[in-house]
Amino acid sequence: EAGVTQFPSHSVIEKGQTVTLRCDPISGHDNLYWYRRVMGKEIKFLLHFVKESKQDESGMPNNRFLAERTGGTYSTLKVQPAELEDSGVYFCASSPLWAGGTDTQYFGPGTRLTVL
Amino acid sequence: RKEVEQDPGPFNVPEGATVAFNCTYSNSASQSFFWYRQDCRKEPKLLMSVYSSGNEDGRFTAQLNRASQYISLLIRDSKLSDSATYLCVVNGEGDYKLSFGAGTTVTVRA
Repeated sequence: EAGVTQFPSHSVIEKGQTVTLRCDPISGHDNLYWYRRVMGKEIKFLLHFVKESKQDESGMPNNRFLAERTGGTYSTLKVQPAELEDSGVYFCASSPLWAGGTDTQYFGPGTRLTVL
Repeated sequence: RKEVEQDPGPFNVPEGATVAFNCTYSNSASQSFFWYRQDCRKEPKLLMSVYSSGNEDGRFTAQLNRASQYISLLIRDSKLSDSATYLCVVNGEGDYKLSFGAGTTVTVRA
């Protein structure tokens, strides 16, 4: 079974530019999550999709970040315009949809974003 | 106060040794607890879930103390391949978002 995939693996952009990260969850997983780890800090939750709906976006840092999951399959996370403090590793995770409980979240390899 | 706090280490141990470390969590309503393992520049991978009664998976033993709000991980007979960062992870009832500790680094030397 294919795991969670993310593209690109690395991205280096200049401050003020736009970057779009993509995540393909494990097939059949309705839950999709974005997390991020900035330098020296712990991994932090950004948002959670159930199918195509945003269930919780409490971790999104500001309105420069826009996440979408049209059709309930893959998701994109756009940063526009990028700032220096957006540098870090962006992880996507997915899990099956189980009513009333939590299940193991499977993480993708991450996208390492560097904003210069 | 951080939601999950861990001793960052590093724990530098010889092969065959036992190493143990803890983490504490701040949300008393937390319901699910996990240890994830993360290798350098790789994604976190679930090592084991942690249950109230404590649980063991081969050389790994996890314990949960709800009263004191801490979780422990013990690795017996350490292997070189156990070298990694171990992440303590917690989430609340029905709350899908995971809260991570910053990780404990373990290095097993030959």
